[in-house]
Amino acid sequence: DSGVTQTPKHLITATGQRVTLRCSPRSGDLSVYWYQQSLDQGLQFLIQYYNGEERAKGNILERFSAQQFPDLHSELNLSSLELGDSALYFCASSVGSGRGVGDTQYFGPGTRLTVL
Amino acid sequence: AQTVTQSQPEMSVQEAETVTLSCTYDTSESDYYLFWYKQPPSRQMILVIRQEAYKQQNATENRFSVNFQKAAKSFSLKISDSQLGDAAMYFCAYRTLYNNNDMRFGAGTRLTVKP
Repeated sequence: DSGVTQTPKHLITATGQRVTLRCSPRSGDLSVYWYQQSLDQGLQFLIQYYNGEERAKGNILERFSAQQFPDLHSELNLSSLELGDSALYFCASSVGSGRGVGDTQYFGPGTRLTVL
Repeated sequence: AQTVTQSQPEMSVQEAETVTLSCTYDTSESDYYLFWYKQPPSRQMILVIRQEAYKQQNATENRFSVNFQKAAKSFSLKISDSQLGDAAMYFCAYRTLYNNNDMRFGAGTRLTVKP
């Protein structure tokens, strides 16, 4: 158990819908990262938040957004869902911000999203 | 841009034997981190081992060790005394030293352990 929690474990929805994925980082970690793992694209970095502020963006679609709340949990919002958005979505957390000497990312169990 | 290549889509090993998973990467930087993550059927991503590029000594964690060849940009994972629970997808990952959000993953190697 990495200490990172994600809910829900599974999510099944229809095209055009909107869903919210939730992540709670390890105690003491200030950074949260979101990744998408699909069969054809592998593991792709989406976005990072550090202490409530967006720190970096990767291959995140405009239909997707995220935020980190004062208690440091994060939510990833996916809207206007398409079949191709079906994937495993991971959250990871780390102590640092990514500026300066880095630290290790610890991953949550993931949320399996199926878009029908 | 940094890329990570795992040339072995699948590997198999007999229980109690040793197996080595390959990883190469491309970078122009001199300082960085390398990781091996394990993803069992539960789909959880589990950190196996980490190596700092500025350290010459190869990292070791119990039955897991790496062979880090900086000049060759190679970072292989050796699993000794393989156990059934080692069966999983293994991902090699690269991260720059000063930018934790820029972590790149290889495509993965699926390891099967035969009893």
